[in-house]
Amino acid sequence: DADVTQTPRNRITKTGKRIMLECSQTKGHDRMYWYRQDPGLGLRLIYYSFDVKDINKGEISDGYSVSRQAQAKFSLSLESAIPNQTALYFCATSATGIVEQFFGPGTRLTVL
Amino acid sequence: GQNIDQPTEMTATEGAIVQINCTYQTSGFNGLFWYQQHAGEAPTFLSYNVLDGLEEKGRFSSFLSRSKGYSYLLLKELQMKDSASYLCVTGATGFQKLVFGTGTRLLVSP
Repeated sequence: DADVTQTPRNRITKTGKRIMLECSQTKGHDRMYWYRQDPGLGLRLIYYSFDVKDINKGEISDGYSVSRQAQAKFSLSLESAIPNQTALYFCATSATGIVEQFFGPGTRLTVL
Repeated sequence: GQNIDQPTEMTATEGAIVQINCTYQTSGFNGLFWYQQHAGEAPTFLSYNVLDGLEEKGRFSSFLSRSKGYSYLLLKELQMKDSASYLCVTGATGFQKLVFGTGTRLLVSP
């Protein structure tokens, strides 16, 4: 069974639509992250959360929002999707004091 | 700021050895990671160096020189399944935020 799951795995949507990507983990980790990956660019951090009451912007948070509903759940929203948000999105988790991050399988989002 | 430089692509032959280099400039350095990523899949952790020197783990080894801002990943006895992208990643002090390089795509041929 996967420790970090993401839904949906693939999504095609239209400009202006609101989209939510969900991440769940069974690893018991406190820390969760959202990244996006574009061809030719490294993974870039969108938002991160070190516990349920802690939300922090990453390097590219504009156009995105997040919600940490529980220790195990971290959702990423695109309030009004635009084509340059077409990318592969990854959720990741880590335990406090441990440097390794564990990644979910990714969500491929296409905005037309 | 953070800046990571690694080759875009490398090719090697099955059974050979390949070294993937990475140079970095980063503030608040807190270690260097290597992740492997097969096309369309999630990155998976390979190694972590926080002190200078060589860390060996099976067929994979990683080296770090903090004074030179330099690391390499060494892959021995290459297998076809090693065809993937290898991401050089730095960690930032005070957080557990990772900064990813663009990755080196390694193609292993028979």
